Amino acid sequence: ETGVTQTPRHLVMGMTNKKSLKCEQHLGHNAMYWYKQSAKKPLELMFVYSLEERVENNSVPSRFSPECPNSSHLFLHLHTLQPEDSALYLCASSQDFWEVTAKNIQYFGAGTRLSVL
Amino acid sequence: KQEVTQIPAALSVPEGENLVLNCSFTDSAIYNLQWFRQDPGKGLTSLLLIQSSQREQTSGRLNASLDKSSGRSTLYIAASQPGDSATYLCASNYGGATNKLIFGTGTLLAVQP
Repeated sequence: ETGVTQTPRHLVMGMTNKKSLKCEQHLGHNAMYWYKQSAKKPLELMFVYSLEERVENNSVPSRFSPECPNSSHLFLHLHTLQPEDSALYLCASSQDFWEVTAKNIQYFGAGTRLSVL
Repeated sequence: KQEVTQIPAALSVPEGENLVLNCSFTDSAIYNLQWFRQDPGKGLTSLLLIQSSQREQTSGRLNASLDKSSGRSTLYIAASQPGDSATYLCASNYGGATNKLIFGTGTLLAVQP
């Protein structure tokens, strides 16, 4: 266990559905990340929150809406998704986003496997 | 555009062999480089992190090297075991005072018993 928990592990949804992915970390970290992992493509950074403030938004379509109510929880709200949004969505956390040291590594959850029909 | 490339995409070796995984990056101005392991259906686990000022890092049977001038990093696995079977990803951090990583596509390793 890495200390980062994602639910659900698997999700199948239609293009008109609304669903949410949840991430929770018990590491006392201040930064949380959403990544998208598609087949044969590198991990794509979607959003970063530092102390509950969004600090990165990498041109992600508005059908993905992140929420960080506190430093331990991160959500990704999904609505009117497309089939090409099917992927593994990974959450990660690190002690700090504004520090680049050997101790500030990112810890990843197991991911949510999303299928959009 | 900063890119990270990993070759080969897949590798199969018999148990006990020593092997090398390759990672190349386009911009030599990296701050550090990390190697991760991803098991099927699981998230990523950090294996080794090499700072730009370092040439290599070792952890058990794993040794990672970094050559900034050539834009290359290698992960050496000694005496491979079936339990080493996984996808190995490298990721570079270009600093800029943020913990933002750029990932390669990974190498899928299968160690045959």
